[in-house]
Amino acid sequence: QKEVEQDPGPLSVPEGAIVSLNCTYSNSAFQYFMWYRQYSRKGPELLMYTYSSGNKEDGRFTAQVDKSSKYISLFIRDSQPSDSATYLCAMSGLNDYKLSFGAGTTVTVRA
Amino acid sequence: DSGVTQTPKHLITATGQRVTLRCSPRSGDLSVYWYQQSLDQGLQFLIQYYNGEERAKGNILERFSAQQFPDLHSELNLSSLELGDSALYFCASGGAPNTEAFFGQGTRLTVV
Repeated sequence: QKEVEQDPGPLSVPEGAIVSLNCTYSNSAFQYFMWYRQYSRKGPELLMYTYSSGNKEDGRFTAQVDKSSKYISLFIRDSQPSDSATYLCAMSGLNDYKLSFGAGTTVTVRA
Repeated sequence: DSGVTQTPKHLITATGQRVTLRCSPRSGDLSVYWYQQSLDQGLQFLIQYYNGEERAKGNILERFSAQQFPDLHSELNLSSLELGDSALYFCASGGAPNTEAFFGQGTRLTVV
């Protein structure tokens, strides 16, 4: 079993829809959670960074962490064709010196 | 622009050869991470340095080695290259452990 599980998709939605992405994990020591966006084999771009459980909002993006269920989510509101990319979740523990990544979900927003 | 600089952007080399990939972290960042991304795999963690010291090692082959220099730039050395080493190699930098990591644009390595 992988430490971080993420459905690779692909996920296709019409423009303006809400995109819902999620990851599950098995390591209860994870406390730091990140979402990255990666365009076509470019460098991953950090979207959201959260610590422990709770919600964080930044513009059209909302990240949720439920540590009791070992489940994290990213929601993209009012999706645009420019949001078409691969979204990767990443996480680490208190004493970790590395980030553990999910496999990434490929999202296409149709105009 | 993340502020992390990787050179070269592209590299084509023959099997059996040795190459060096270079990474300059963001100003002030002490951590450098190296990741490999192949077509059929996600981001695979290779190795991490913090202020010149190796702090974590992932699935890095013995043919690969890395170091972080006093000026905090890092180099990843890949030797005895095989076709299967063809991949994107990313460097990321960050501050203290568990803070955000910012990625460079990667080096695309093709082994022929």
